[in-house]
Amino acid sequence: GIQVEQSPPDLILQEGANSTLRCNFSDSVNNLQWFHQNPWGQLINLFYIPSGTKQNGRLSATTVATERYSLLYISSSQTTDSGVYFCAVLYGNNRLAFGKGNQVVVIP
Amino acid sequence: ETGVTQSPTHLIKTRGQQVTLRCSSQSGHNTVSWYQQALGQGPQFIFQYYREEENGRGNFPPRFSGLQFPNYSSELNVNALELDDSALYLCASSFSHSSGELFFGEGSRLTVL
Repeated sequence: GIQVEQSPPDLILQEGANSTLRCNFSDSVNNLQWFHQNPWGQLINLFYIPSGTKQNGRLSATTVATERYSLLYISSSQTTDSGVYFCAVLYGNNRLAFGKGNQVVVIP
Repeated sequence: ETGVTQSPTHLIKTRGQQVTLRCSSQSGHNTVSWYQQALGQGPQFIFQYYREEENGRGNFPPRFSGLQFPNYSSELNVNALELDDSALYLCASSFSHSSGELFFGEGSRLTVL
């Protein structure tokens, strides 16, 4: 099956700092999603991005499908950005393969 | 627009028991998928339901089964519970079975003792 690797696994940031999370995947995919998992477990949709760059406030994402990677940028981080970020690729009949996540802690 | 809702949010069972988890899809979505998330891991695909039939299954044994109803809501049933079934079970819905963004509910956290 498709392998999805996320790095770094853990990240501690000072409030106000910028960061980049990376997602590599092993095969061609139909699409890619980034999620933020809140403390209660719900996966919050951040981006649905097969290729190119999208921005939403302080977050932006870039996917380079030909090179099989995606990046999530967090600018001017806030404590509310803490949590686990998941990259997931869509393949086959619209099923998702997830990475193990990036655990982000933003300290004031 | 109503999002994906799941019930119950938490439950505790003992080994060997059976459990049923429920999911209502987002308005306008006809496809429901179920995922299992063990502690510290990413979610794993269990199966997908479209037009009331299973439309793809991940690497899970037959004691994991499901249903989809005419209103697109779905159930996940797990028989003969094992300790390793303790996990967060997430339901996702999408507009199509073959493409499109998936949206998740808050999950059902199952503990097996």
